[in-house]
Amino acid sequence: DAKTTQPPSMDCAEGRAANLPCNHSTISGNEYVYWYRQIHSQGPQYIIHGLKNNETNEMASLIITEDRKSSTLILPHATLRDTAVYYCIVRVDASNTGKLIFGQGTTLQVKP
Amino acid sequence: GAVVSQHPSWVICKSGTSVKIECRSLDFQATTMFWYRQFPKQSLMLMATSNEGSKATYEQGVEKDKFLINHASLTLSTLTVTSAHPEDSSFYICSARDAGTGVRAFFGQGTRLTVV
Repeated sequence: DAKTTQPPSMDCAEGRAANLPCNHSTISGNEYVYWYRQIHSQGPQYIIHGLKNNETNEMASLIITEDRKSSTLILPHATLRDTAVYYCIVRVDASNTGKLIFGQGTTLQVKP
Repeated sequence: GAVVSQHPSWVICKSGTSVKIECRSLDFQATTMFWYRQFPKQSLMLMATSNEGSKATYEQGVEKDKFLINHASLTLSTLTVTSAHPEDSSFYICSARDAGTGVRAFFGQGTRLTVV
């Protein structure tokens, strides 16, 4: 699975949009981009995933560049409860195992 | 969404004893479950892949005789830390994939193990 690069930390003001970048320049054509987050002392929580097209759900939006070498997770109105470590992971769904390899992620601190 | 439950949420044990951690998929069947370990301020590290009805597959550097994994049913996998030592103190997390609906992995809430 392709390696990802994320900034180690980011701050965001409460109520503002949080934009978390991820570089995955070696991504293959059949690899999906997944985002999970981990709130302190809890298990990771699935946020969103996509292949080529931008995706949106009740939690966030995922913007994938046309060349698929990078993506951005957008939390439209960040709250204090969104403070967490956010992990960007790329993997091949066809492997069909659910195995995930976590990088260091981005620690997002939402401030009042 | 699918629910994965771990038990216990936290455990303290004496050095040299064994500890069993359970991971259950509550509303779906999971032929494959995964066990991770996380040390403070570090990311999750995959330890092993648990396959229902067969032997687990361990990642490089993980001692299979120390971390015993059993996946006897489609809804339960167990991780037993044998002869635990203080350096085994960590946050252990399991995940499972609902093969019936897709490839999203669902995670348990984690188990905090402290060996004294």
